[in-house]
Amino acid sequence: QVQLQESGPGLVKPSETLSLTCGVSAYSISSGYYWGWIRQSPGKGLEWIGIIYHTGSTYYNPSLKSRVTISVDTSKNQFSLKLSSVTAADTAVYYCARLPGGSVWYFDYWGQGTLVTVSS
Amino acid sequence: QSALTQPASVSGSPGQSITISCTGSSSDVGSYNLVSWYQQHPGKAPKLMIYEGSKRPSGVSNRFSGSKSGNTASLTISGLQAEDEADYYCCSYAGSSTFVVFGGGTKLTVL
Repeated sequence: QVQLQESGPGLVKPSETLSLTCGVSAYSISSGYYWGWIRQSPGKGLEWIGIIYHTGSTYYNPSLKSRVTISVDTSKNQFSLKLSSVTAADTAVYYCARLPGGSVWYFDYWGQGTLVTVSS
Repeated sequence: QSALTQPASVSGSPGQSITISCTGSSSDVGSYNLVSWYQQHPGKAPKLMIYEGSKRPSGVSNRFSGSKSGNTASLTISGLQAEDEADYYCCSYAGSSTFVVFGGGTKLTVL
């Protein structure tokens, strides 16, 4: 059973960079699939942030593209999210997930999520 | 405002059937058979219930079914059970510029 686990600071100051990592177990990232980040603001719906392929190819939500960087470290079997210049509007539960990719676009495995609060 | 439109809430009694709609456009739902549906219980991660419009992942009850007509996708839950009470989100591929869009979510209450 594929498992994903988010990790990173739960509190980030405004204007700083939010950094999260997603560790993957029971599946080698370098074997394929896409890996992505989705967030959910308190009491709100889901918002797709972006995805990355094990080769490093990335696809970002156009509304966040200027502030987002997603990278992959196949040696550690993990991938990461960086979101710059954060504001209170970036306070959310951040999920990492797997997406089969190619012509298939759905998220089949999800991490438990981690709450990131943007506050001074 | 979400790219896909869902009703904020729906309700039904145990044993009944309900349908949740997800309305998009010709740029997403209408152009691709790539709608997925997720169930989310409070404080939990979303769970994939339907993919590619009507396919069920292994382990998902056959009480859950998906369909599409034009720019609107639908999730139907038959034989409602108390455990079905949750938030449901639709999601669609939206082309090579936008890629993925979600609906705003629908809260299902089992009366």
